[in-house]
Amino acid sequence: DVKVTQSSRYLVKRTGEKVFLECVQDMDHENMFWYRQDPGLGLRLIYFSYDVKMKEKGDIPEGYSVSREKKERFSLILESASTNQTSMYLCASSLSTVYGYTFGSGTRLTVV
Amino acid sequence: AQSVTQLDSQVPVFEEAPVELRCNYSSSVSVYLFWYVQYPNQGLQLLLKYLSGSTLVESINGFEAEFNKSQTSFHLRKPSVHISDTAEYFCAVPARTGFQKLVFGTGTRLLVSP
Repeated sequence: DVKVTQSSRYLVKRTGEKVFLECVQDMDHENMFWYRQDPGLGLRLIYFSYDVKMKEKGDIPEGYSVSREKKERFSLILESASTNQTSMYLCASSLSTVYGYTFGSGTRLTVV
Repeated sequence: AQSVTQLDSQVPVFEEAPVELRCNYSSSVSVYLFWYVQYPNQGLQLLLKYLSGSTLVESINGFEAEFNKSQTSFHLRKPSVHISDTAEYFCAVPARTGFQKLVFGTGTRLLVSP
């Protein structure tokens, strides 16, 4: 089975800190995604990447950046964390839309 | 662009009762359709998907969904739910043909009580 691993389950950070969320997949998938999940809003796409060093903005990229230096790793960066970025962050990877996504377990980030 | 509507944010049901979770999507063109399930404090898992062929698809744990092109729906059903089915369920479709992004609905929380 494809495995997508997010490095932290829970994080607490202070306002203004630079935050790194790491995601690693082990099945050579080209496509990787970062979503945030908030009650009543479902999943909203922040950024996605379809190849190494390639990235595209999703629906809510403001306040975030990403890095994909290696195929298996896709990092989400909060340049200066704010309280409105408190959320559940989900990473996913896929070979193709036909197969759907495989998700990590999520990182629940609290910004205080 | 495609969109997905899950009208019910929460569906309470008693154990062993039948349940239907509704999903409608915005386009009538042929699409791929997915249902994901999220158990508490976990990521999403693929429950079932429709790609082509038979309009009725089934999962290994007794859920089924029917693709209805005329009604642009892909409702999820189970004839008899268990406590362990308590979770949030998300319907998803590709954002546009040829793109690798999925668009997710806002989710339906299924609450099964004894």
